Amino acid sequence: QLVLTQSPSASASLGASVKLTCTLTGGHSDYAIAWHQHQPPKGPRYLMKVNSDGSHTKGDGIPDRFSGSSSGAERYLTISSLQSGDEADYYCQTWGPGIRVFGGGTKLTVL
Amino acid sequence: EVQLLESGGGLVQPGGSLRLSCAASGFTYSSYAMSWVRQAPGKGLEWVSAISVGDATYYADSVKGRFTTSRDNSKNTVYLQMSSLRAEDTATYYCAKMTRPYYDRSGYYCDSWGQGTLVTVSS
Repeated sequence: QLVLTQSPSASASLGASVKLTCTLTGGHSDYAIAWHQHQPPKGPRYLMKVNSDGSHTKGDGIPDRFSGSSSGAERYLTISSLQSGDEADYYCQTWGPGIRVFGGGTKLTVL
Repeated sequence: EVQLLESGGGLVQPGGSLRLSCAASGFTYSSYAMSWVRQAPGKGLEWVSAISVGDATYYADSVKGRFTTSRDNSKNTVYLQMSSLRAEDTATYYCAKMTRPYYDRSGYYCDSWGQGTLVTVSS
């Protein structure tokens, strides 16, 4: 069964970098994922798609500070030069035959 | 610019029904699949349903048999008909545009989102 695992929380200082992880389980290490940023009460915002080879495709207007990468079954979202406005919940999403799933989300706190 | 505007949320009693609508603009609506995603209070995102351009549908196990999604290409609108509502269906419901007209292994994810509409199931 395909499950996406994310750490519930992460924190980093203003101006620093942070790397969020989304882990594919159930033998699906070749799957791509999409990253979304959510700052309630606003709707989520699509950030990028990250492929198993580490290549990524960003959404319109997503700053260069946001980047994606991969290693094995792990997919990463790296945010550099952290700003207070980056404080949000970050979700990964994936898809497969009969599978539509989100990870549990990571709450990012900018210190 | 893609715009997705949900409506129809509100307070409903357990066992009741509600229909959500999502009006789309800024893209060729008939060429893309659409999804509904919800977030219960204090919880993460849950993919509720999806509908392709050919009206093929997907439902999460948690709503299968109770929710029905449909689309009207003449109105650029996607719907979520919810029945036999339960307290655990209480959530903000988001409409999302998908990247493809139908499921595609190479890429089938949400690339635009609405602002959401709140559904509260309570007596």
